[in-house]
Amino acid sequence: AQSVSQHNHHVILSEAASLELGCNYSYGGTVNLFWYVQYPGQHLQLLLKYFSGDPLVKGIKGFEAEFIKSKFSFNLRKPSVQWSDTAEYFCAVIPGGYQKVTFGTGTKLQVIP
Amino acid sequence: DGGITQSPKYLFRKEGQNVTLSCEQNLNHDAMYWYRQDPGQGLRLIYYSQIVNDFQKGDIAEGYSVSREKKESFPLTVTSAQKNPTAFYLCASSPKKAGAFTGELFFGEGSRLTVL
Repeated sequence: AQSVSQHNHHVILSEAASLELGCNYSYGGTVNLFWYVQYPGQHLQLLLKYFSGDPLVKGIKGFEAEFIKSKFSFNLRKPSVQWSDTAEYFCAVIPGGYQKVTFGTGTKLQVIP
Repeated sequence: DGGITQSPKYLFRKEGQNVTLSCEQNLNHDAMYWYRQDPGQGLRLIYYSQIVNDFQKGDIAEGYSVSREKKESFPLTVTSAQKNPTAFYLCASSPKKAGAFTGELFFGEGSRLTVL
């Protein structure tokens, strides 16, 4: 069965620090990859997605993620975080040709002003 | 506005009672999903449906049931057989792109169920 691992459960950063959140998945074939964000009191929304093509994808609010097929990874990055980035971040995977979307356990990011 | 509407937002239930959570979408998406969110466990898939009158079990379907009689609607019933039903429930829908499901999910605001 496919699985998604997010290694960092809780990250605390100061404003302007750089961010990298890890995501690894277990499926060996073609995949679509996603990062979702859940701000406090708000519903889950898409941050960025990878379907094919350039493995470096850019999303909203200055976030980007890099798909490294050989490492089965899709890490999320942001050069300089802001207090408003405080949220929970979820990585998700769907294998090509399937309909089941699997999520990681999430990473809570706390940014200190 | 187009989107996913879940109701009720908060629900309290006594042990032994069934409860149904509503999910309606007006995005004309074919696929719909139910997830359960618990602290530290991320989102776990309960059921999903790609088409009307068809649905598949997810990873934690025991104690839950669904129906998909209309494209717009995918209600979830939490039965008395669900051993630990207190949780935050999220409904989502997903469109097709070039005839294939992309997995991109559009979420509702969620329903928080508390069993007393």
